[in-house]
Amino acid sequence: SYVLTQPPSVSVAPGQTARITCGGNNIGSKSVHWYQQKPGQAPVLVVYDDSDRPSGIPERFSGSNSGNTATLTISRVEAGDEADYYCQVWDSSSDHFYVFGTGTKVTVL
Amino acid sequence: EVQLVESGGGLVQPGRSLRLSCTASGFTFGDYAMSWVRQAPGKGLEWVGFIRSKAYGGTTEYAASVKGRFTISRDDSKSIAYLQMNSLKTEDTAVYYCTRDLRGAGTPEDYYYYYMDVWGKGTTVTVSS
Repeated sequence: SYVLTQPPSVSVAPGQTARITCGGNNIGSKSVHWYQQKPGQAPVLVVYDDSDRPSGIPERFSGSNSGNTATLTISRVEAGDEADYYCQVWDSSSDHFYVFGTGTKVTVL
Repeated sequence: EVQLVESGGGLVQPGRSLRLSCTASGFTFGDYAMSWVRQAPGKGLEWVGFIRSKAYGGTTEYAASVKGRFTISRDDSKSIAYLQMNSLKTEDTAVYYCTRDLRGAGTPEDYYYYYMDVWGKGTTVTVSS
């Protein structure tokens, strides 16, 4: 089955840039979506189709996808960005049509 | 306002059954696929299964971990999706989220995919004796 690998944690100072990677075999050929989950809350879609933002998501959130790595970038990080982030792809060739990454905890120092 | 509200969670013994409901509002329910996603305590997100809209056959897909035990259905007239869970195991203990799913298309021409644009707040299922 298709596997998505994320770093367990990323730490960043306020105002700096956080980059969260999502590795998968030839992931650049798939559409990647990103979800933010704050403690005790449901996930929220922050980026879809590699780099598009839903309405209401700040421009500070951006995404890219090429080769074997997709990246979620959070610019000018704020304390409120502290959360778990998950990447997701659709893989109908496996028995897990929706595949989530392992998740990354972003800590704002 | 687009909203999904899950209900039906609770404490259940191993081997028993439970049915979760997801009540939708603020959009035309029948136009969308719907998924169930769960999250065990302290763990990541795990997709459970989904049901396509009637326009795409209304068919279902399931994760291997629940196939044969869980069944997803929908009542478009009531805007409700259901998750019937049978033969529950302790490892099914989790918060269960309902999601609205969007279908995208890319290249080649027959390539399509789904992602989740709206999530409910979740309902907790605890399987324990």
